[in-house]
Amino acid sequence: QAVLTQPPSVSGAPGQRVTISCTGSSSNIGAGYDVHWYQQLPGTAPKLLIFANNNRPSGVPDRVSGSKSGTSASLAITGLQAEDEADYYCQSYDSSLSGYVFGAGTKVTVL
Amino acid sequence: EVQLVESGGGLVQPGGSLRLSCAVSGFTVSSNYMSWVRQAPGKGLEWVSVIYSGGNTYYADSVKGRFIISRDNSKNTLYLQMNSLRAEDTAVYYCAAGDYGSGSFANWGQGTLVSVSS
Repeated sequence: QAVLTQPPSVSGAPGQRVTISCTGSSSNIGAGYDVHWYQQLPGTAPKLLIFANNNRPSGVPDRVSGSKSGTSASLAITGLQAEDEADYYCQSYDSSLSGYVFGAGTKVTVL
Repeated sequence: EVQLVESGGGLVQPGGSLRLSCAVSGFTVSSNYMSWVRQAPGKGLEWVSVIYSGGNTYYADSVKGRFIISRDNSKNTLYLQMNSLRAEDTAVYYCAAGDYGSGSFANWGQGTLVSVSS
């Protein structure tokens, strides 16, 4: 059972907006640790999509954004495109585990 | 260009051992924190272990006492020694480079598959 909770799947039509939630607790997100998001295309390694809650690495389009509040974070993708079909994972640090934690992942389907 | 290349995966019997390697180029392995992250077939990502630049190491409870993370600065390579392997250790193992500035895993290898089965 993953420490961070994500919905198993979300879907949207091309051009629409989808959001993915990531809920933690007082020992991880709620303790102030940053949340990072990764995109994993089928058969490939994860790729950093958002770091430190709301920052995009070079090359990630500005239609992808992140936010964090309290014990939760969210990832938003606007102008949904077929290439956005992938699994998305949130990640943070947990002080009670002295280690890093991931969400179980959310599959984004473009209808 | 940053590159992480894992090797050493394969088929091993329950109770056996395996050592994974992650050859790094483009940065110094001792200057970043480095982790192993695994993904069981059809499942999500699971953090396994980390080694910090100062040498401190930490492990997930699921592998504590069985796995050992280390690095060879002269070879710029990260390792994961896996002992007493179980069927539930079957997964693709990724090495990931942490970035102290952002706190994220900024770079990942392509992964190496470990299968534990008799």
